[in-house]
Amino acid sequence: GAVVSQHPSWVICKSGTSVKIECRSLDFQATTMFWYRQFPKQSLMLMATSNEGSKATYEQGVEKDKFLINHASLTLSTLTVTSAHPEDSSFYICSASGRGFTGELFFGEGSRLTVL
Amino acid sequence: SQQGEEDPQALSIQEGENATMNCSYKTSINNLQWYRQNSGRGLVHLILIRSNEREKHSGRLRVTLDTSKKSSSLLITASRAADTASYFCATDRTGGGNKLTFGTGTQLKVEL
Repeated sequence: GAVVSQHPSWVICKSGTSVKIECRSLDFQATTMFWYRQFPKQSLMLMATSNEGSKATYEQGVEKDKFLINHASLTLSTLTVTSAHPEDSSFYICSASGRGFTGELFFGEGSRLTVL
Repeated sequence: SQQGEEDPQALSIQEGENATMNCSYKTSINNLQWYRQNSGRGLVHLILIRSNEREKHSGRLRVTLDTSKKSSSLLITASRAADTASYFCATDRTGGGNKLTFGTGTQLKVEL
């Protein structure tokens, strides 16, 4: 199957700082990438959808100025959590699909963010 | 918002037994998918069933879909300790732009 790499796998930062998470498709061109947030023992909540070369579409209730998403190339999307606060601590997961895909998504390994 | 509700929330069985998980959803769909997540890891795609399909098999997995009841089930036969994980259904809603909406998940524990 297609491989999606996510980095970093975990990060600890101080309140008020910004953190960038990268999501890369290693062996296919990801025309669409999705960013999810997951709290412990809960389901995935879609935050935003990004298409290469265009602005991300955010889900209702997700602050676009706080969670900056960039999808500048067909293999890389980034999520930047700006001015992070302890309530932003969570597990962030990206997924990707490409041309010719039949509906399944390929997920990164996730990034655990802890804001002190 | 959560499209799918899964039950049970947690399931504990002995190795060799079968595990059945159910998923209900609310809107019309293009397809329904099942994913597996080991603790603290990403999701792995297991199987996809389209809205015009009723049953699908993949190895020890059997998925059924009843669009009239808006429900699906995942059966894992002859379970193994390595099957211990969380399992999520996800729906690709009609007109949803290929976005997946995930269910609440079932935590499966398979004991030796």
